[in-house]
Amino acid sequence: EVQLVESGGGLVQPGGSLRLSCAASGFTFSTYWMSWVRQAPGKGLEWVAYIKQDGSEKYYVDSVKGRFTISRDNAKNSLSLQMNSLRAEDTAVYYCARGYCSGTSCYRATFDYWGQGTLVTVSS
Amino acid sequence: DIQMTQSPSSLSASVGDRVTITCRASQSISSYLNWYQQKPGKAPKLLIFAASSLQSGVPSRFSGSGSGTDFTLTISSLQPEDFATYFCQQTYSAPTFGGGTTVEIK
Repeated sequence: EVQLVESGGGLVQPGGSLRLSCAASGFTFSTYWMSWVRQAPGKGLEWVAYIKQDGSEKYYVDSVKGRFTISRDNAKNSLSLQMNSLRAEDTAVYYCARGYCSGTSCYRATFDYWGQGTLVTVSS
Repeated sequence: DIQMTQSPSSLSASVGDRVTITCRASQSISSYLNWYQQKPGKAPKLLIFAASSLQSGVPSRFSGSGSGTDFTLTISSLQPEDFATYFCQQTYSAPTFGGGTTVEIK
């Protein structure tokens, strides 16, 4: 069974930092694109970042470029999001999500499994 | 960025009704369009990918159509478990989501 379990959320002051983690199990982690997607309270979904299977390519939404860093450890089946210079508008539930693969074709932005999410609150 | 506009933002329907949700892209996205279902307090669930392909395990009462800029999600006969919020998402470029459509019980 595919499982994605996020951790690391919490309350942080504006300008502060936080590191989110996602523990993956039930699939061959190293063969999938992985993403972070967030959802502000009562709002819609926003893709944040994704990372290629081997970590060689990383892409970010404009609003987090230069502040957030996505990374992965395939040996530990783990995905991370380092968030610096946090702002009030970064307050959201952050989901770890897997990119869909069918046969040998993988689609980095089609998310077939999601974690339960971890809440990040940026407030003084 | 490609903007995705869903309509309506909410609707009320009864069990057994046929429900249609529309999603419009600000530019042509070919068939790079997905649909997700989200229930309160839960993560989204992939329903439809590539505009019309049903994700494994999703009931056949869900269907998707469209290409270019205009897309629809149809639920042929609404079931109690279908009351939820639905999001479209384009994957033609940096992924973006529609604002969501909440399907409520009439």
